[in-house]
Amino acid sequence: TQLLEQSPQFLSIQEGENLTVYCNSSSVFSSLQWYRQEPGEGPVLLVTVVTGGEVKKLKRLTFQFGDARKDSSLHITAAQPGDTGLYLCAEPLSGGYNKLIFGAGTRLAVHP
Amino acid sequence: GAVVSQHPSRVICKSGTSVKIECRSLDFQATTMFWYRQFPKQSLMLMATSNEGSKATYEQGVEKDKFLINHASLTLSTLTVTSAHPEDSSFYICSASRAGLNTEAFFGQGTRLTVV
Repeated sequence: TQLLEQSPQFLSIQEGENLTVYCNSSSVFSSLQWYRQEPGEGPVLLVTVVTGGEVKKLKRLTFQFGDARKDSSLHITAAQPGDTGLYLCAEPLSGGYNKLIFGAGTRLAVHP
Repeated sequence: GAVVSQHPSRVICKSGTSVKIECRSLDFQATTMFWYRQFPKQSLMLMATSNEGSKATYEQGVEKDKFLINHASLTLSTLTVTSAHPEDSSFYICSASRAGLNTEAFFGQGTRLTVV
């Protein structure tokens, strides 16, 4: 089973700062998903990246998939307190997007 | 609105008792659902695949007799934690997807189990 490494593990920043979190593996990802989870709730899908070199944007969030499909990053511009949460990368298994292996997550706190 | 619902959201039980957690897909049929477990400040760990009309498939290290899974209908999977112990205290989350290749997995809101 592939291991997904996320960094940093924790991130505490002030409102308005930019940040980047990373997801890496020694093996090639079939595809990669990013989720955000708030305390006491299930994770919510942010994006799925499939093609090496792909860049997707979701408002202030920019997702990149490495050319070799072994790494991905999530960049947040001008972070807001509402961005606080646990950011998880996940690799779908078994040819679909249903069965997922998750990285350890990056816990982000954005302070006003 | 939510498309996958879990119940209960929180439960406290005594050691040695069993607890059942329900996962329902609200507006679609799901032949397969997944159960995850999340310890505090950790990530989600896949426990098992719930298959409608057949036995669940468990991940390595997950005791099938401890975590009973039943998927009796196309919209309902249940996870029963049997003879619960304090170390079973955790956040349990299910997911389900609509039929088709590469469809999004929707997660339930999770169930916080505390065994005292």
